[in-house]
Amino acid sequence: GAVVSQHPSWVICKSGTSVKIECRSLDFQATTMFWYRQFPKQSLMLMATSNEGSKATYEQGVEKDKFLINHASLTLSTLTVTSAHPEDSSFYICSARDGTGLGRLYFGPGTRLTVT
Amino acid sequence: AQTVTQSQPEMSVQEAETVTLSCTYDTSENNYYLFWYKQPPSRQMILVIRQEAYKQQNATENRFSVNFQKAAKSFSLKISDSQLGDTAMYFCAFNRQGGSEKLVFGKGTKLTVNP
Repeated sequence: GAVVSQHPSWVICKSGTSVKIECRSLDFQATTMFWYRQFPKQSLMLMATSNEGSKATYEQGVEKDKFLINHASLTLSTLTVTSAHPEDSSFYICSARDGTGLGRLYFGPGTRLTVT
Repeated sequence: AQTVTQSQPEMSVQEAETVTLSCTYDTSENNYYLFWYKQPPSRQMILVIRQEAYKQQNATENRFSVNFQKAAKSFSLKISDSQLGDTAMYFCAFNRQGGSEKLVFGKGTKLTVNP
């Protein structure tokens, strides 16, 4: 089946710094990618939807200047957490929609961010 | 706005037995998709089963089947012959028909399969 990768799988950063998370579709072109945040023992909360070549659409309550999303190509989307704070510590998951065929959705393995 | 409700935060079942996870949703759409996803301790989201709303026949995938009641807006998941590897969080999700539409998730049910 289709594979979506995320890098890094785990990152620790100091408060005030920025960290970039990559999401790649490895064997298909992703017209749309989604970024989710998941706190422990909770559901996935959609942060934003990104379409290749256009600005991301953020969900209500998500700060677009803090969570920068770039979908520069049909196989890569990045999420940059700027000026990270401990409350940004969470599990970030991306998903990518196959732009061909049935438009199926595939999830990445997630990135655990810890801000100290 | 669409909402998805899973009323069972936790459930347990004995190995080899059958368990049913509940899900209800609210939408004014007529065409949409419903999903059950499994999230094991690895946190990788795995698609278990998918149902198109226009199909009356309930979807099945090996030991997994759904009971889709469109009028009642209910979409339960039945796991037969439960296995230890079925232990995971299970999320019900809704998606409006359309290529860029987002998934709306329920809060999840933690299923534990006991030996």
